[in-house]
Amino acid sequence: RKEVEQDPGPFNVPEGATVAFNCTYSNSASQSFFWYRQDCRKEPKLLMSVYSSGNEDGRFTAQLNRASQYISLLIRDSKLSDSATYLCVVAMNRDDKIIFGKGTRLHILP
Amino acid sequence: ETGVTQSPTHLIKTRGQQVTLRCSSQSGHNTVSWYQQALGQGPQFIFQYYREEENGRGNFPPRFSGLQFPNYSSELNVNALELDDSALYLCASSPSGGAANEKLFFGSGTQLSVL
Repeated sequence: RKEVEQDPGPFNVPEGATVAFNCTYSNSASQSFFWYRQDCRKEPKLLMSVYSSGNEDGRFTAQLNRASQYISLLIRDSKLSDSATYLCVVAMNRDDKIIFGKGTRLHILP
Repeated sequence: ETGVTQSPTHLIKTRGQQVTLRCSSQSGHNTVSWYQQALGQGPQFIFQYYREEENGRGNFPPRFSGLQFPNYSSELNVNALELDDSALYLCASSPSGGAANEKLFFGSGTQLSVL
């Protein structure tokens, strides 16, 4: 089993729709979780951290389920500018090891 | 912009050669980590430097080595280049040594092509 797994997509979603991504991780010792966004041929940028209680930032909601070892990202009222690759990131404090998923490609259709 | 700068932006090398990539961290950041991103893949963690010492390493062979300087800038060196080393190499800085808990600020990357 890969350390961090994501559905690669692409997800083709009409503008205004709600879309959800999941990401599973294999190491139960993982302690920090993030979603990064990467536009084509650009560097990744932090979208949001993911906390055990769940957290929301505008149209974006992130959830963590430690028992099932997955995190999720929900995007409501999607915009054309949301088109990007979304990278799931899992980190372990021990050895400061940071693991990126392969990313999920999202295309918002007009 | 993150304030993290990488050079060069593009590089072409042949198999067996050596390459050095450079990264200047964001002002006030003392931790630098390096990643390799092949086409269609997520970034793969190479190693991390904190206050001039390597303090974390991913599954990369010893021919991938690095340095961090007193001003916290960093170099990634790759010896005996192989075709599979062709990738985007990303540098990220973070403020206080515990990159696992911190936001990473990425540079724009160096696109390395090995022929």
